[in-house]
Amino acid sequence: GDSVTQMEGPVTLSEEAFLTINCTYTATGYPSLFWYVQYPGEGLQLLLKATKADDKGSNKGFEATYRKETTSFHLEKGSVQVSDSAVYFCALSAAGANSKLTFGKGITLSVRP
Amino acid sequence: GAGVSQSPRYKVAKRGQDVALRCDPISGHVSLFWYQQALGQGPEFLTYFQNEAQLDKSGLPSDRFFAERPEGSVSTLKIQRTQQEDSAVYLCASSLVTGTNTGELFFGEGSRLTVL
Repeated sequence: GDSVTQMEGPVTLSEEAFLTINCTYTATGYPSLFWYVQYPGEGLQLLLKATKADDKGSNKGFEATYRKETTSFHLEKGSVQVSDSAVYFCALSAAGANSKLTFGKGITLSVRP
Repeated sequence: GAGVSQSPRYKVAKRGQDVALRCDPISGHVSLFWYQQALGQGPEFLTYFQNEAQLDKSGLPSDRFFAERPEGSVSTLKIQRTQQEDSAVYLCASSLVTGTNTGELFFGEGSRLTVL
């Protein structure tokens, strides 16, 4: 079945450090890929998405590129801020079967001043 | 309200009790989803409604779980004869469009169920 694998956490970085959070997926066909973020005390919210191979999603300084050849959708940000501290979830929506998102386990990012 | 609202936010139940969790989606949103999130895990799909029709209930873990959305807006997730393994955060999400391939899901803050 479809699955999403995220790197193990938690991750702690200093402000202005470079961030990479790895995400790989297993799915038939070409799924749509998403990053959702959950800030403390809030519900999950969409951070960015990509719906086809080689697409780059971007938002709030974060970027992720849909890599079909490596089945990956790694999240990057050049300079993190304390306000980026949150839990980040990678997710996919299978091609055709579009009634659900399949999520990874999530990773907690803490950014210290 | 402006977002997805869930109630109660916290529920403690004794094993064997029935519980009902409510979700108020964003007004006008066609799609409504329920997810279960265990501690330290990502959300797991339970069921999907398009308006009042339950199109996918493949994620419901047993026949003790039942969901409805009778008028295509508010939804209720009911768990009968609760077990300890039902302890989790139950998330509701809604979307303006059908399905999940392109649209953004808006999540509530969840209902945390603890079964003693």
